[in-house]
Amino acid sequence: GAGVSQSPRYKVAKRGQDVALRCDPISGHVSLFWYQQALGQGPEFLTYFQNEAQLDKSGLPSDRFFAERPEGSVSTLKIQRTQQEDSAVYLCASSPHAVTYGYTFGSGTRLTVV
Amino acid sequence: GQQVMQIPQYQHVQEGEDFTTYCNSSTTLSNIQWYKQRPGGHPVFLIQLVKSGEVKKQKRLTFQFGEAKKNSSLHITATQTTDVGTYFCAALIKAAGNKLTFGGGTRVLVKP
Repeated sequence: GAGVSQSPRYKVAKRGQDVALRCDPISGHVSLFWYQQALGQGPEFLTYFQNEAQLDKSGLPSDRFFAERPEGSVSTLKIQRTQQEDSAVYLCASSPHAVTYGYTFGSGTRLTVV
Repeated sequence: GQQVMQIPQYQHVQEGEDFTTYCNSSTTLSNIQWYKQRPGGHPVFLIQLVKSGEVKKQKRLTFQFGEAKKNSSLHITATQTTDVGTYFCAALIKAAGNKLTFGGGTRVLVKP
């Protein structure tokens, strides 16, 4: 596609619910990143894929967070047993190469846990 | 902990004036990128700097990478209302792996 597509755009979850956030990167982009952005803050790294391989998941806050990219294209970020502190905008970005090019971000998913 | 610091956190600018925002790190950076995020929007890539002392211009925006590759600056001349938004620097830090570490951003408000 022309850009990075994320869905849903908004998600309201009750505390304790599981959620799944989808990212459809630019076709052919090898690298895919997930970031978490709290209100008024810069994006914080969560995890990074190169094709289907998850090369870095050091930013995932807890074992309730899980990400996958099984076929090297679409990625899903899953959060189990959501907590209020999980409320944030979750941004997905893709790039032709991790270190050489700028990232193209999607519009993000705003998650609100009530 | 945050390895990339941006100052100022907020910048109120009169339309037509110039301003500069700074990005600093205690660590040598492999490269630095700048992004702009409009209110309610997502970060949009502006530019990448790789070489020590590199200077790049985009119309009214001038980006500079420090000689020691530990800092960078963004200078905007003749500010316009369209410059409103948050400007983030993002650095590739070798020790941190192949992902960008973002600064906290400089929020720019323009007074007409």
